[in-house]
Amino acid sequence: GDSVTQMEGPVTLSEEAFLTINCTYTATGYPSLFWYVQYPGEGLQLLLKATKADDKGSNKGFEATYRKETTSFHLEKGSVQVSDSAVYFCALSDPPAGAQKLVFGQGTRLTINP
Amino acid sequence: ETGVTQTPRHLVMGMTNKKSLKCEQHLGHNAMYWYKQSAKKPLELMFVYSLEERVENNSVPSRFSPECPNSSHLFLHLHTLQPEDSALYLCASSQDPGYTNEQFFGPGTRLTVL
Repeated sequence: GDSVTQMEGPVTLSEEAFLTINCTYTATGYPSLFWYVQYPGEGLQLLLKATKADDKGSNKGFEATYRKETTSFHLEKGSVQVSDSAVYFCALSDPPAGAQKLVFGQGTRLTINP
Repeated sequence: ETGVTQTPRHLVMGMTNKKSLKCEQHLGHNAMYWYKQSAKKPLELMFVYSLEERVENNSVPSRFSPECPNSSHLFLHLHTLQPEDSALYLCASSQDPGYTNEQFFGPGTRLTVL
């Protein structure tokens, strides 16, 4: 079945450091890919998405590129801030396997120190 | 504010109690979801409703009973729960059919079963 694998956390960085959170997936069809973020005490919010190969999703300084050849969707940010501390979830939606199902990775907790 | 609200935000209940979680979406969507988020586990999809009909039930125990009276409201009725059911319960909504299946999440209900 479909699955998403994220790098294990927690990840701790200093402010202004470069961030990469790795995400790889397996899917039976041609999925759409997402990054969701969960701030403390809140639900998940969509951070960015990409629907086809080589698409780059971007938002709030975060970027991720849909790489079909490596089945990856790594999240990057050039200079993180304390306010970026949260849990980040990579997810996919694979319409041929179930149009309404999102498959999530296990989440990566990110802490940014001032 | 994502347009999806959940009440209550926190709930403590004994194993013999009966309670209900409520979710309301103000986005005009026609699909709604219940997820369970436990510590150190990926998000677990519990139920999916599309056009007020249940289309997915991921082997959830019968002590969890969903109800979707209309496209804006979703309930999760709880009875004779176990301590291992303690978790954050998240509601989400989306427009179905939707090519990317982008889901909007509520803030969750933190449930503690004593």
